[in-house]
Amino acid sequence: EADIYQTPRYLVIGTGKKITLECSQTMGHDKMYWYQQDPGMELHLIHYSYGVNSTEKGDLSSESTVSRIRTEHFPLTLESARPSHTSQYLCASTSPLVTGELFFGEGSRLTVL
Amino acid sequence: AQSVTQLGSHVSVSEGALVLLRCNYSSSVPPYLFWYVQYPNQGLQLLLKYTTGATLVKGINGFEAEFKKSETSFHLTKPSAHMSDAAEYFCAVSEPGGSYIPTFGRGTSLIVHP
Repeated sequence: EADIYQTPRYLVIGTGKKITLECSQTMGHDKMYWYQQDPGMELHLIHYSYGVNSTEKGDLSSESTVSRIRTEHFPLTLESARPSHTSQYLCASTSPLVTGELFFGEGSRLTVL
Repeated sequence: AQSVTQLGSHVSVSEGALVLLRCNYSSSVPPYLFWYVQYPNQGLQLLLKYTTGATLVKGINGFEAEFKKSETSFHLTKPSAHMSDAAEYFCAVSEPGGSYIPTFGRGTSLIVHP
């Protein structure tokens, strides 16, 4: 079983608040990813990282930011949340030895009122 | 560029019936192909994958999929559905030799009737 953890699992906040979604993995994986998931839609890659101090934007434009100061930690931050940010956010990681297989956390479901 | 099409956002079967979830892909190179399952309020879990070698791959929970290059397909099957199979299923493709970042389909919700 994969060891990748996301907190909080559920979050309801008001517009304009700053939020950070935490993601940690204990597998020593270099590559980590954030996906946004909405019902009936494909998973959209919003950020990824190939290692410490490496971050890239994904295919889907996002107002969020990420950091990668430690290998095991890849937090996602929204400086000012809006209702359009309401979604499920999935964190994942992969080992370079594994051909593209992703290990996912359980997700953080964000609702912005 | 790579892409994935999953035919049918919902598939409904009776318990004990055959499960068939369709996935077609496009890729500029021989792809790596994956099926993931997502149970309610959980993340995605790998069911099975094709990288190289045998085109019929077996996964967890009795699922299997066959890579058909000529049809650019990777359909997921299970001979006999169980109530616990009810979940969302995602097909994904990645291109070896590149970034390996997978592209996902929109998912198919499998509904199992008693």
